[in-house]
Amino acid sequence: DGGITQSPKYLFRKEGQNVTLSCEQNLNHDAMYWYRQDPGQGLRLIYYSQIVNDFQKGDIAEGYSVSREKKESFPLTVTSAQKNPTAFYLCASSSLAGGKGEQFFGPGTRLTVL
Amino acid sequence: GQNIDQPTEMTATEGAIVQINCTYQTSGFNGLFWYQQHAGEAPTFLSYNVLDGLEEKGRFSSFLSRSKGYSYLLLKELQMKDSASYLCAVSDSWGKLQFGAGTQVVVTP
Repeated sequence: DGGITQSPKYLFRKEGQNVTLSCEQNLNHDAMYWYRQDPGQGLRLIYYSQIVNDFQKGDIAEGYSVSREKKESFPLTVTSAQKNPTAFYLCASSSLAGGKGEQFFGPGTRLTVL
Repeated sequence: GQNIDQPTEMTATEGAIVQINCTYQTSGFNGLFWYQQHAGEAPTFLSYNVLDGLEEKGRFSSFLSRSKGYSYLLLKELQMKDSASYLCAVSDSWGKLQFGAGTQVVVTP
């Protein structure tokens, strides 16, 4: 089955701890994205990557970091510098090979910082 | 930058029709997407418009007017399972999406 996986589905952390969210895709997509969603709000772009070993800041990158060492993987680290990290985090991927560039989403990770 | 506006919530009866409007202001435009998102789940793709006009796909249709910066999603023959949030998203020249806040559709019996 092709798709995007995120783990874990629910994550609890103490304030001041860094935490890394996993995102893996086997769709052979070039581009990958991380979004944050808060209640009653749309998705906001944190970071995106269009090619291995390269990534760009989105609209709300402060307090987050990413890496793209493999095409299939795009982990997101929520650092202690992120002032309000409790949110629903969504990873997505898309092909850059033409067409509409539809983004496919993983199931999400709900992070709660206590 | 891009500004995307859509209503916060709409309520309709099972079997009825609902139209969700989306207006946008963009510095670059490479298409408009509609996604459906059930509570606590990932968004799923519904439709894509890049040229003006109506795209029909079963019970769902989407319309685009680029000159007016306007789109709508039309849901026909509403079913209870259509209760969800509907997200309008505009793609820029680089393929990045800017999302609206979403419209919560509540379908009542």
